[in-house]
Amino acid sequence: EAQVTQNPRYLITVTGKKLTVTCSQNMNHEYMSWYRQDPGLGLRQIYYSMNVEVTDKGDVPEGYKVSRKEKRNFPLILESPSPNQTSLYFCASSSNSVPKNIQYFGAGTRLSVL
Amino acid sequence: GENVGLHLPTLSVQEGDNSIINCAYSNSASDYFIWYKQESGKGPQFIIDIRSNMDKRQGQRVTVLLNKTVKHLSLQIAATQPGDSAVYFCAERKEGYSTLTFGKGTMLLVSP
Repeated sequence: EAQVTQNPRYLITVTGKKLTVTCSQNMNHEYMSWYRQDPGLGLRQIYYSMNVEVTDKGDVPEGYKVSRKEKRNFPLILESPSPNQTSLYFCASSSNSVPKNIQYFGAGTRLSVL
Repeated sequence: GENVGLHLPTLSVQEGDNSIINCAYSNSASDYFIWYKQESGKGPQFIIDIRSNMDKRQGQRVTVLLNKTVKHLSLQIAATQPGDSAVYFCAERKEGYSTLTFGKGTMLLVSP
């Protein structure tokens, strides 16, 4: 089954404790992206990757890191989490083909930083 | 997520009615548009897409209309069912890019 898998689904942590949220897709997609979703603000892009070893900042990259060492994986790293990073996070992937590149989303990771 | 619907415009309909959800997009250079549905506790799911060289596209019970003159997109759901209750997002893609820009969303509530 084609899917985007995020882990963990729920995470509670404390300020300053480094964490990683993993994302994996099995569709051989070139493009992967991380979003955060907050009430009233919609989906905001954190980082994206057009292909292996190519990453770029989205609209809200501060406090986050990513890496793309393999095509299927795109982990999101919070080196020193802060309470304002409490949010619902989604990973998505798509092919780079034009004109259609539907993004497929994972189920989400709900993060609470105390 | 559970609180995604907070602060969103809400459309309330009766089961069996037709629903129309509207979206204004921002970039006249956008060439591709997608509608997503997000149920509580789940990630956004693709519903239907449309390219900018089209005005209308139909799927199963859903129709997307695109008016490029006023930069407006709408999603029509025929014979709305309780299972259609969700938050609906439009997304636009700027020509030549893979990145999507998402609207804030509209919550659809369907009463039996």
